[in-house]
Amino acid sequence: IVLTQSPGTLSLSPGERATLSCRASQNVRSSYLAWYQHKPGQAPRLLIHGAITRATGIPDRFSGSGSGTDFTLTISRLEPEDFAVYYCHQYGYSPLFGQGTRVEVK
Amino acid sequence: EVQVVESGGGLVQPGRSLRLSCTTSGFTFSDYDMSWVRQAQGKGPEWIGYIRSRSYGGTTETAASVKGRFAISRDDSRGIAYLQMNSLKTEDTAVYYCARDAGSYVPGWLDLWGQGTLVIVSS
Repeated sequence: IVLTQSPGTLSLSPGERATLSCRASQNVRSSYLAWYQHKPGQAPRLLIHGAITRATGIPDRFSGSGSGTDFTLTISRLEPEDFAVYYCHQYGYSPLFGQGTRVEVK
Repeated sequence: EVQVVESGGGLVQPGRSLRLSCTTSGFTFSDYDMSWVRQAQGKGPEWIGYIRSRSYGGTTETAASVKGRFAISRDDSRGIAYLQMNSLKTEDTAVYYCARDAGSYVPGWLDLWGQGTLVIVSS
């Protein structure tokens, strides 16, 4: 399986909506799909698992959707602290990650 | 504080060995599977291995790219996971992360990461 994230870079302003895509080359079993946020010099942070379940303490402006081969992470209104790189992750047997989407300030 | 902290990275020559440590605190380490992930400059993360909890015998899985060269172990009494890296190659240069794995026998999502330790393989 290959995970392809798009776009590579998303240039948006605070308050705007961000829509990030993660497409798998084959079906992702049981929606074993997670999303992480990563800022330079920090530990990656789990946002979503099971494609749609927010991790503990994650604000509700973050939401995950999708199944099968197409998954989406949506940030409803960007806050200044949301500008970062986001990765999708297919877990289970033979885990792998996407190459990331950078959300930058326009 | 609940955390994982990687250590042991540095500059190493090709063909040599290095052992990374993942020191945990704030949770019952023995109850959890643990994963290792690396990220080379400008690339996405790469899963490289996994060790099951004592409940599943502490058995391991490693990615094909490092199988036979890298090995994962754990010391439940000290709350530490290890990544032993042998026969290092220049392409092993990356930041190496340890993460608590929410999986049970099969690798799951990674709910607690460290900040990583940089390994540079160069002559």
